[in-house]
Amino acid sequence: AQTVTQSQPEMSVQEAETVTLSCTYDTSENNYYLFWYKQPPSRQMILVIRQEAYKQQNATENRFSVNFQKAAKSFSLKISDSQLGDTAMYFCAFMKGGGSEKLVFGKGTKLTVNP
Amino acid sequence: GAGVSQSPSNKVTEKGKDVELRCDPISGHTALYWYRQSLGQGLEFLIYFQGNSAPDKSGLPSDRFSAERTGGSVSTLTIQRTQQEDSAVYLCASSLRGKTEAFFGQGTRLTVV
Repeated sequence: AQTVTQSQPEMSVQEAETVTLSCTYDTSENNYYLFWYKQPPSRQMILVIRQEAYKQQNATENRFSVNFQKAAKSFSLKISDSQLGDTAMYFCAFMKGGGSEKLVFGKGTKLTVNP
Repeated sequence: GAGVSQSPSNKVTEKGKDVELRCDPISGHTALYWYRQSLGQGLEFLIYFQGNSAPDKSGLPSDRFSAERTGGSVSTLTIQRTQQEDSAVYLCASSLRGKTEAFFGQGTRLTVV
């Protein structure tokens, strides 16, 4: 079975600064995907970024980037130029390869961006 | 509709009553998932539908929980004889077959008193 661990229950950052959220996972699968989801107070989960395990290049989406270390089973999220709207719960998630598979989530990190 | 729709948004029920939660996925999405989010916890997988079939129902916590999907579209999650530990946010997601991006609804917050 796969497990996802987020060791930082809460974090805070000043507006315009950079913050990194940590995630580690455990799996025996060779083909899989990793995700970061954002959950604002509206409760709706929003996909932030996705990484295919077979790709060595780290995924980036505007101010969001990941540091994917496959051997170490580590998948951290870096948010640059933090904005007040980034305040939310962030969940790291794992999916086995093939698509249409269930997501396995970590317990989340509550991020607060301070003005 | 533009996104995944769930109803009701909030539900308060008395212990022992049955409840039904509804999920209307994005049109054309054949894959549908139910997750449960308890206070302070991550999302816990409950059940997965591909069309009207449920190839993976391994996450249903007890036989009080059941789900169905009709016409390859709307799904209903039913909890019988609710208990206080069933209090949580129930989230539904849908995706295109074979695709990795899941789109989530805003969830139903269930409170059992």
